[in-house]
Order: sequence, then structure tokens, then C-alpha cells
Amino acid sequence: EAGVAQSPRYKIIEKRQSVAFWCNPISGHATLYWYQQILGQGPKLLIQFQNNGVVDDSQLPKDRFSAERLKGVDSTLKIQPAKLEDSAVYLCASSLGVGGRYEQYFGPGTRLTVT
Amino acid sequence: AQSVTQPDIHITVSEGASLELRCNYSYGATPYLFWYVQSPGQGLQLLLKYFSGDTLVQGIKGFEAEFKRSQSSFNLRKPSVHWSDAAEYFCAVGDSSASKIIFGSGTRLSIRP
Repeated sequence: EAGVAQSPRYKIIEKRQSVAFWCNPISGHATLYWYQQILGQGPKLLIQFQNNGVVDDSQLPKDRFSAERLKGVDSTLKIQPAKLEDSAVYLCASSLGVGGRYEQYFGPGTRLTVT
Repeated sequence: AQSVTQPDIHITVSEGASLELRCNYSYGATPYLFWYVQSPGQGLQLLLKYFSGDTLVQGIKGFEAEFKRSQSSFNLRKPSVHWSDAAEYFCAVGDSSASKIIFGSGTRLSIRP
């Protein structure tokens, strides 16, 4: 079974520029998550989708971050404009369903550096 | 509110020695508890999980964890560590009604040859 795919793996941008990340979850997984992992910290949930609907985006900085999952499969996360504090690893994960008992499978992440 | 505390930021153990990583949680109902491992440059991989039943849970790579409700703890153990176990370990908590799980800040494990 193919895992969660993410691209790009690394990205370096200057502050105030925009950037987009792509995620392809495991086939058949209805739930997709985007996490932000700042160096030295655990992953923090940014947004969670169930199919193409948003379940939780309470910690997404909506003034600069946006995400979509138009066909209920792939997803993109965008930052516009980027700030220095956005430097982090952005992890995508997927699971069969919603709720704490469903195992989340993680992609390798995209490491973003904002200079 | 749910929270997870991993009191040890960095632990170093000798290869072949036993390991225990601490995790304390705060949660009102019966939690779902997880341990994940993250190798450098990799995503997180699930080691084991506890939902109910036997409080001693076996996981992959020879790891086990014990749920102690009275202590609000879910410590991860391994009887003999290998150099390949060097990684970051994250404890996480969720429940059946919550749509998400909360991660601790992680413990970095180094192995001394």
C-alpha cells in the first residue's frame, strides 16, 4: 500500500512570498490532516478534512493560511504572505475516519525555511 | 482540555540498556493514547496505541507501554535499545468524540555506543 505523498520535500522562500504544499493521502482514507511542526515541538493540527469538508480549522491562521481538498482526495496548503515564524515542517496525514481511535498515517513532510 | 506532557526533552542511553520514556496526560474521560516515533527527515510512525482493555500494550520494534489511570501516565518502555532506535518520540492523546489528537512536545533519544 502506497503511503502519504507530499511535495516538495524542501522549500526556501523569502518573507512575504507565497508558497504551496501538496499532499496525496492513502487511497480510501476519508480524513486528511495538515500539521505544523516547529523545531523542538510536537505537531500542531492546522486543519482537518473529512472528504472535502472541513472538520476543524480552529488553529489555522486564516489571514495567511488556506487549504483545500476539492475532490476529497488530494489537498493543497497555501501560505500567503509567509512570515519568518512560518519556518517549520508541514506534515500531512490521513486516516480512515474521524476520531481519536483512527490511526493517522503521516507523510515525510515539507520543510519550509522563510528567510 | 486535553494536554500531554513529556517531561524529558532529551535522553541518552547505552546500546543494550533498558529504556523508559515518560508521558503524562490530562483528560477527563477515558483517553485514547498513542506513541509515535519520528526518525530524522521522516514523518511520524505509530509504535503502539491504547484504547481499552489490557493496560500493557505491545507495539512494533519491541516497544511496549503501560496505561496507569491512577497516575495519568502512559510510559513507553523497551528492554534493550538498539542504535537504530535513536529518534524523536511523541506521546499523543485523543478520544472517540474528539476529531483530533494532541501531541506532546517529544523526547529525543540518543544511543551511546
